[in-house]
Amino acid sequence: DIQMTQSPSSLSASVGGRVTITCRASQSISTYLNWFQQKPGKAPKLLIYDASSLQNGVPSRYSGSGSGTDFTLTISSLQPEDFATYYCQESYSALWTFGQGTKVDI
Amino acid sequence: EVQLVESGGGLVQPGGSLRLSCAASGFSLSSYWMYWVRQVPGQGLVCVSRIKSDGSITDYADSVKGRFTISRDNAKNTLYLQMNSLRFEDTAVYYCVRFGALAGTGDYWGQGTLVTVSS
Repeated sequence: DIQMTQSPSSLSASVGGRVTITCRASQSISTYLNWFQQKPGKAPKLLIYDASSLQNGVPSRYSGSGSGTDFTLTISSLQPEDFATYYCQESYSALWTFGQGTKVDI
Repeated sequence: EVQLVESGGGLVQPGGSLRLSCAASGFSLSSYWMYWVRQVPGQGLVCVSRIKSDGSITDYADSVKGRFTISRDNAKNTLYLQMNSLRFEDTAVYYCVRFGALAGTGDYWGQGTLVTVSS
């Protein structure tokens, strides 16, 4: 099974600040890497798919990069609505594996 | 508008059974692979099962294999998860997820239904 490791597990940031979250896969997954945002009591929301493609309707301050085993999610200018937990997910396998999550708060 | 609405969660004793349903609207279920993903409150996301658009292929996580059965009724635009021999560790919010071909992952998620296994 593929293991996904995110770092950090939590971070504090300010509105307007830049945030970077990393995700590492235990084996090469090409660009089968996706990023989700989850707010308390809500379902996850797809932000980035195929490592760097922005899902429809997602603000351009979100970006993703990477391939193989190492990936990054960047939020260029944090907005109040961006405080949430972020998960990476590999879609290389039949049944997806998610990272453990990164909580972004103030 | 695409919508996925889960139902059927609740409180059940260990060893009991529940059937979750996911009613799809705004798209034709018959064209999509579908998944169930669960989340223990306060913890991470775990993919437990998937089913091909025509129901001919199913996959299960080892933790639920032999106990859970995924199925679908495309005529009713509904996905199911039959859960038998429930354990304490099956307590979670269960999400129904559509596999979007363009995104290559789950592009639409239901709101989730809570399953609590407790004596």
